Amino acid sequence: ETGVTQTPRHLVMGMTNKKSLKCEQHLGHNAMYWYKQSAKKPLELMFVYNFKEQTENNSVPSRFSPECPNSSHLFLHLHTLQPEDSALYLCASSQAPRGGRSDTQYFGPGTRLTVL
Amino acid sequence: AQSVTQPDIHITVSEGASLELRCNYSYGATPYLFWYVQSPGQGLQLLLKYFSGDTLVQGIKGFEAEFKRSQSSFNLRKPSVHWSDAAEYFCAVESGNKLVFGAGTILRVKS
Repeated sequence: ETGVTQTPRHLVMGMTNKKSLKCEQHLGHNAMYWYKQSAKKPLELMFVYNFKEQTENNSVPSRFSPECPNSSHLFLHLHTLQPEDSALYLCASSQAPRGGRSDTQYFGPGTRLTVL
Repeated sequence: AQSVTQPDIHITVSEGASLELRCNYSYGATPYLFWYVQSPGQGLQLLLKYFSGDTLVQGIKGFEAEFKRSQSSFNLRKPSVHWSDAAEYFCAVESGNKLVFGAGTILRVKS
């Protein structure tokens, strides 16, 4: 496979469930990102990882827990979510920033999450 | 702080007509600018980008964009729209470690 893949594509979970979203990039990049896209709201950056180290947490509630075991994989662990967390979760990757400037981000297809 | 404004929430054009989607940015230095397209239920696909050099940038699917520093704009254009271009379009500006996105413009194409 090429590009950025995300699994599952659709997920329905109850508020007491624990689930994980997976993202894998095949582009040789070393930065990865999680975004949340809710209906009628701008794209929200959640987390940034550069070389497996978290460099940004955009005030995301602790019920979202990211994990980046290597530069190719990124996970988002979910627990005790709320209905308002229902959204499209997008993963992206890029080359890590150089000289303070970031590079083009390439996006996966997203996971459509519904919290009941 | 860096910001991006897409003034038009929705735009409807006839198939075969020309298209221009507006984007204005706020950035102190030379910006890196991007246009992405998103079809329903899909991720964002890069259409084109501007880092430096020629201010008229060619992208995929027949799209182009022009960087105008004096107007802080990076408008997306296409000379003849196809029904398959119906989607949501996002302009973005690079800001250090991340991209700042506009709210998006939904393009509808009527036959």
